[in-house]
Amino acid sequence: GESVGLHLPTLSVQEGDNSIINCAYSNSASDYFIWYKQESGKGPQFIIDIRSNMDKRQGQRVTVLLNKTVKHLSLQIAATQPGDSAVYFCAENGIYDYKLSFGAGTTVTVRA
Amino acid sequence: KAGVTQTPRYLIKTRGQQVTLSCSPISGHRSVSWYQQTPGQGLQFLFEYFSETQRNKGNFPGRFSGRQFSNSRSEMNVSTLELGDSALYLCASSSSVGGVETQYFGPGTRLLVL
Repeated sequence: GESVGLHLPTLSVQEGDNSIINCAYSNSASDYFIWYKQESGKGPQFIIDIRSNMDKRQGQRVTVLLNKTVKHLSLQIAATQPGDSAVYFCAENGIYDYKLSFGAGTTVTVRA
Repeated sequence: KAGVTQTPRYLIKTRGQQVTLSCSPISGHRSVSWYQQTPGQGLQFLFEYFSETQRNKGNFPGRFSGRQFSNSRSEMNVSTLELGDSALYLCASSSSVGGVETQYFGPGTRLLVL
């Protein structure tokens, strides 16, 4: 079946370095992509989104890149901080799909 | 604006019992979705409601049901609980504008079935 997946289950990064989290998706009909951050004991928190008619979108310290040719999504976090330690999920849906399909998640650990 | 709220936050039940979980969406949001999160299966879609109507349903048995009220608050019910139903149940709300929408999640209800 169609699914959204992350390339690596874990990522360890030095504080202050940039982080890159990758996600591959297989549903070519996906129109909308979201990155969520989930800290222990909390629900997923919206970070940034991007629509299929865009290649790049920037937020505060975060950038999402979308490559529709290879069905790849990435989240870049600049100057990673200890508070960025969490599990990061990519999710996607299609227009009028009314549901999100999530990848397995990448656990990011920031080293001091 | 207050975020999505879910009650209760924690729940312990035994096999065979039933449980009802509640979700209050962000004010003004009319779409409510439910997800189950487990270590083995990750985040899986249960169902979505808009204006008291179920618009989509995931691949879960009929023991899982939900409803939405006129004030957009939603409940989900699980009957005849099984050990495998132990999970974090997440509710998300969205404004459902334009066909694609950002879903904002609540803190979840952690259900343990013994």
